[in-house]
Amino acid sequence: SYVLTQPPSVSVAPGKTARITCGGDNIGGKSVDWYQQKPGQAPVLVIYYDSDRPSGIPERFSGSNSGNTATLTISRVEAGDEADYYCQVWDSHSDHVIFGGGTKLTVL
Amino acid sequence: QVTLRESGPALVKPTQTLTLTCTFSGFSLTTSGMCLSWIRQPPGKALEWLAHILWDYDKYYNTSLRTRLTISKDTSKNQVVLTMTDMDPVDTATYYCARGTDNGGTYYFDSWGQGTLVTVSS
Repeated sequence: SYVLTQPPSVSVAPGKTARITCGGDNIGGKSVDWYQQKPGQAPVLVIYYDSDRPSGIPERFSGSNSGNTATLTISRVEAGDEADYYCQVWDSHSDHVIFGGGTKLTVL
Repeated sequence: QVTLRESGPALVKPTQTLTLTCTFSGFSLTTSGMCLSWIRQPPGKALEWLAHILWDYDKYYNTSLRTRLTISKDTSKNQVVLTMTDMDPVDTATYYCARGTDNGGTYYFDSWGQGTLVTVSS
């Protein structure tokens, strides 16, 4: 089955740029979505179709996807961005949903 | 405005069957391109997809849990029901329902319920 690999944690200082990666075999050929989850809350979609932002998501959030790695980039990081982030793909071969293991973003 | 709400027992005993209901509003599950998924999250762990049902009644299940899961929808009530048999303590988790929107053959989850914590214990 298809596997998505994320680093368990990423740390960044306020105002800097955070990059969270999601690795998968030829993930560049798939559509990747990203979710933010704060403690005690449901996940929130922050990026879909690799790089599109839902309404209400700040422009500081952006995404890219190529080769074997998709990346969520958060510019000018704020304390409120501290959360767990999950990547997700839809495996069209099996019609299964695959989530990455999640990355905890810590704002120093 | 799209809303989803999960309901079901907070506590089940081992070997029992869990029945969860997702009641939604603001969209129709008969609309082409819509789907509704169940996703769970054990305490402190990652999200795990369980099953989804599409607008055209197609159903898909997590392969590792397939024999224990059943998903169904009642469009007249705007509800989707998930049953999971033979519950075990490792099934203790927060269970979410989420709306999926078609994106050219793939789906992203743009609306989630608040989740319901299910504890499996005798």
